[in-house]
Amino acid sequence: DAMVIQNPRYQVTQFGKPVTLSCSQTLNHNVMYWYQQKSSQAPKLLFHYYDKDFNNEADTPDNFQSRRPNTSFCFLDIRSPGLGDAAMYLCATTRYGGQETQYFGPGTRLLVL
Amino acid sequence: RKEVEQDPGPFNVPEGATVAFNCTYSNSASQSFFWYRQDCRKEPKLLMSVYSSGNEDGRFTAQLNRASQYISLLIRDSKLSDSATYLCVVGVMNYGGATNKLIFGTGTLLAVQP
Repeated sequence: DAMVIQNPRYQVTQFGKPVTLSCSQTLNHNVMYWYQQKSSQAPKLLFHYYDKDFNNEADTPDNFQSRRPNTSFCFLDIRSPGLGDAAMYLCATTRYGGQETQYFGPGTRLLVL
Repeated sequence: RKEVEQDPGPFNVPEGATVAFNCTYSNSASQSFFWYRQDCRKEPKLLMSVYSSGNEDGRFTAQLNRASQYISLLIRDSKLSDSATYLCVVGVMNYGGATNKLIFGTGTLLAVQP
């Protein structure tokens, strides 16, 4: 059974057109993370939520925003996608955010035209 | 300098070979250590956690040397199905200890040949 679900799996958007990526989890975990992984690069943490507390990484561009309306769902909003934002976006969860395993969703591959 | 550095790869090995991956990390405050496996166009999946005492899971053995800030992964009797990118991952406590931030290496591609 899928535990961390990401929709859609593939997303095509136009340069400058806002886009939202979705993540949901059935694990009832407190912490949800968003990573960006560009081709042949390491996944890079953008931000995370601990419950309702939002924690942004210092080098995450303002173009990236996130919402977590409830425990199960977390959204990644890209306000004005540029060509350089084409990447795989990975959602992950942990129960308490300590030294536990992070469970990753299958990712959404974003293409910007 | 990257926070987590790995062998550049790719590693091309025949089936049955033993292959070793090495990794160094720069943050001495790192508290948790992992090897993840990532198949092409898929999400990373935890292969194993790494402990100071060393740990083994079947054909896979991981070692950690905190003094040298060095992590290794050994795969014995490699199988075709082991072909993937192996990511060295280090966890640091973030935001006053509330959460664990994972820092990923760029990965080493392993191709096991028949």
